[in-house]
Amino acid sequence: DAGITQSPRHKVTETGTPVTLRCHQTENHRYMYWYRQDPGHGLRLIHYSYGVKDTDKGEVSDGYSVSRSKTEDFLLTLESATSSQTSVYFCAISELGNVAEAFFGQGTRLTVV
Amino acid sequence: AQTVTQSQPEMSVQEAETVTLSCTYDTSESDYYLFWYKQPPSRQMILVIRQEAYKQQNATENRFSVNFQKAAKSFSLKISDSQLGDAAMYFCAYRSAGYSGAGSYQLTFGKGTKLSVIP
Repeated sequence: DAGITQSPRHKVTETGTPVTLRCHQTENHRYMYWYRQDPGHGLRLIHYSYGVKDTDKGEVSDGYSVSRSKTEDFLLTLESATSSQTSVYFCAISELGNVAEAFFGQGTRLTVV
Repeated sequence: AQTVTQSQPEMSVQEAETVTLSCTYDTSESDYYLFWYKQPPSRQMILVIRQEAYKQQNATENRFSVNFQKAAKSFSLKISDSQLGDAAMYFCAYRSAGYSGAGSYQLTFGKGTKLSVIP
């Protein structure tokens, strides 16, 4: 299994509070991604990173920010959590070349009340 | 932008029988990858099978095989001899192979098909 760890695995937070989710990898992969999974929507890309301090927006980036200060860590921050951000969040990693597939963390279930 | 469509939100199959899950996609690119991921109740995303668009031969992994029709932009998954452990959500996903920017390596997912296996 690819070495990718998400923390926390579960979190309940109140509306308006800041929340940070962490993704840690031991594979030294260049690309890291944050997706959210919601019923009826599949997985949608929030933000991604293609190197240290290199990040860009995905399809559903509003209300989220990210940071990558080290190759192995990719942080997702909800500056002021809203109920619409209740979701399961997945981190994924991938590398260049023909391997192609992405490897996923175990997911974080976030509930905003 | 690429889109991936899974038209079957739910399907069921009798144990030991064969089932086919459908996936279509839209792209203007000629070189790309297609994937099927399985998500059991544990929530873990597990790669089932991968297909490179430049390969005409359909990929096969044990009981799992695909029917890749590039011209029709269709990528269906066939599960033979279905087992109880195959019950899961299945996602079809697309990834560009060409480097036109860092975001080209992201996966675009369909909405998923929930597969139930009946004993």
